[in-house]
This record gives sequence, C-alpha cells and structure tokens, in this order.
Amino acid sequence: DVKVTQSSRYLVKRTGEKVFLECVQDMDHENMFWYRQDPGLGLRLIYFSYDVKMKEKGDIPEGYSVSREKKERFSLILESASTNQTSMYLCASSPGGGSYNSPLHFGNGTRLTVT
Amino acid sequence: EDQVTQSPEALRLQEGESSSLNCSYTVSGLRGLFWYRQDPGKGPEFLFTLYSAGEEKEKERLKATLTKKESFLHITAPKPEDSATYLCAVQAWASGTYKYIFGTGTRLKVLA
Repeated sequence: DVKVTQSSRYLVKRTGEKVFLECVQDMDHENMFWYRQDPGLGLRLIYFSYDVKMKEKGDIPEGYSVSREKKERFSLILESASTNQTSMYLCASSPGGGSYNSPLHFGNGTRLTVT
Repeated sequence: EDQVTQSPEALRLQEGESSSLNCSYTVSGLRGLFWYRQDPGKGPEFLFTLYSAGEEKEKERLKATLTKKESFLHITAPKPEDSATYLCAVQAWASGTYKYIFGTGTRLKVLA
C-alpha cells in the first residue's frame, strides 16, 4: 500500500511566522501535490511537482512556496503565516510516466491554526 | 469551465436503507473519475477508479457506475461504519496539463 506521511497532524502558529509542512511518500511516485481543504470549498490545489526540483503553481499559490529536493519529500512553506491560511492541508502523490490517469494517494492531513 | 458537482450535500440513512450519491461533471478530455471516502480529521481514502462510460466497480456494500455525464456511488444496506464524507474527483486535460478536479463531497450519516 502507498503510504504518504505528513509530519504533523496539528500545528498552531502565530501570524507572521514561517511555517514548514513536510510530506514523505514511500512508493517512488514522481508526482506530489499540496492541497488545502476548507468547508464548502472542497480541495484546492496549491502547488504540485512532477519531478525532483520541479514545481508548478496550482490554483491558489499566493502566500505559499514549495521545495522538492528529493523524490520522496515535498515540503510546503508558508512564508509569513496569516489567519486566512488556517486550514486542513493535504499532501498527495501519484505515479508518473504514462500513468496519467492514476488516483491520488493522500496523507492524513495537517490541521494548521494561525492565531 | 471544468466542474464537478456532488449531490446531495448531506444524506441521513437508516441502517439497511440503500441509496445513491451523485457526481456530475463537465470536463473536456476526461481521463478518469475517482471516488474517495474521508473520515473526520483524516485524509481521503481511495475507493474506485472509473475510466469509461458503462464501467462499474464494486467493493463490499459500495458500487460505482459511470456515464458520459455523471457517476453514481450506490450504497447497499449501509451500516453505521459507512458514515463518512464521500468525494468524487475527475482527471482532465486543462491548461496544458492533467488536473484533478474535486467535488465538495456528500456527508453520509448512517443511523443504527
């Protein structure tokens, strides 16, 4: 089974802090994604990566950056946390290459509260 | 605009009362449709992939079907442990890349 592990289940940070959310997958997947999930808005894509050191903006990248130095690890960075970034953050991965129609496999999420 | 709409938003069933959840989509270049189950405070858990109209997949009390415009998740004789939010997603070609587009889910509550 694919395992996607997010380093923290709950985080509480103060406005203006720099926040790092870490995600590791153990199935050698090329593709990794960061989503945020808010009630009534569903899952919204922040950033994704199709390869090491490669990143693409999703639908709501403002206020976020990412890092992918190793294939198995994809980090989401909140440069200066704000209260409107309080949310559930979900990391996901999927195989690359010709497997374009493969499902995403999700981690258990990080619930971030910014006060 | 590519869009996925799920209905109803919430559904309460008695144990054993079968029903269906709907996922309608308007996308170009559909590559696959996916169903997930999400328990409170957890990440979505993958259930099924459907690739083409007419396809059906089954797992225990769940059966997913696909037409050219919508998918149904049929729940037969549900149990309280089936209570969860069920998410539908499609993968489509958009803006020069493949994107996953999610619905906002159906919250299912099964009463004992």
